[in-house]
Amino acid sequence: DADVTQTPRNRITKTGKRIMLECSQTKGHDRMYWYRQDPGLGLRLIYYSFDVKDINKGEISDGYSVSRQAQAKFSLSLESAIPNQTALYFCATSDFGGFAYNEQFFGPGTRLTVL
Amino acid sequence: DQQVKQNSPSLSVQEGRISILNCDYTNSMFDYFLWYKKYPAEGPTFLISISSIKDKNEDGRFTVFLNKSAKHLSLHIVPSQPGDSAVYFCAASALANNNDMRFGAGTRLTVKP
Repeated sequence: DADVTQTPRNRITKTGKRIMLECSQTKGHDRMYWYRQDPGLGLRLIYYSFDVKDINKGEISDGYSVSRQAQAKFSLSLESAIPNQTALYFCATSDFGGFAYNEQFFGPGTRLTVL
Repeated sequence: DQQVKQNSPSLSVQEGRISILNCDYTNSMFDYFLWYKKYPAEGPTFLISISSIKDKNEDGRFTVFLNKSAKHLSLHIVPSQPGDSAVYFCAASALANNNDMRFGAGTRLTVKP
């Protein structure tokens, strides 16, 4: 079984709709992240959470919100989707341990299309 | 403002030869650098990393070199194999910034048999 899972894997929606992307992990990691990938721009951090009570904005948080329901679950919401939020979204996790534990483990991605 | 740049969108090499992927960064606070590999329809997977106190780290066929004065790092794959064909992302983080990781745009490597 995959350590980091994302649902749905693909989603097509319309402008103005509310969308939630979900991420679950079985790695027991405290830290979870949401990224989006756009062609020519690589991965950009949207939000991250270091534990259930800790939520931080990343590089491009406008238009997004998150919820850390439990250590293992971190969901990303688009309150009112717009076409330029069409992208590939990745959830990731990492352990806490300082300098040597920056490796992040990624889910398989969710392809979101906003029409 | 992209703090991590991979200026070559693609690279094609012959099987058995060396692949060299390059990455430049602008933020001098970065103190840890990583390379991730991504196959289609999968998430990125960690490949190799290097801390700023080192200038080289080797793991099998993969070696990462760091030149701090030039703010440049490179990934060498020797010998290249067709299974290495993937998109490679360079990433950098700074302990002072809670290890907020910044990624480059990626380089698509194609290894031809």
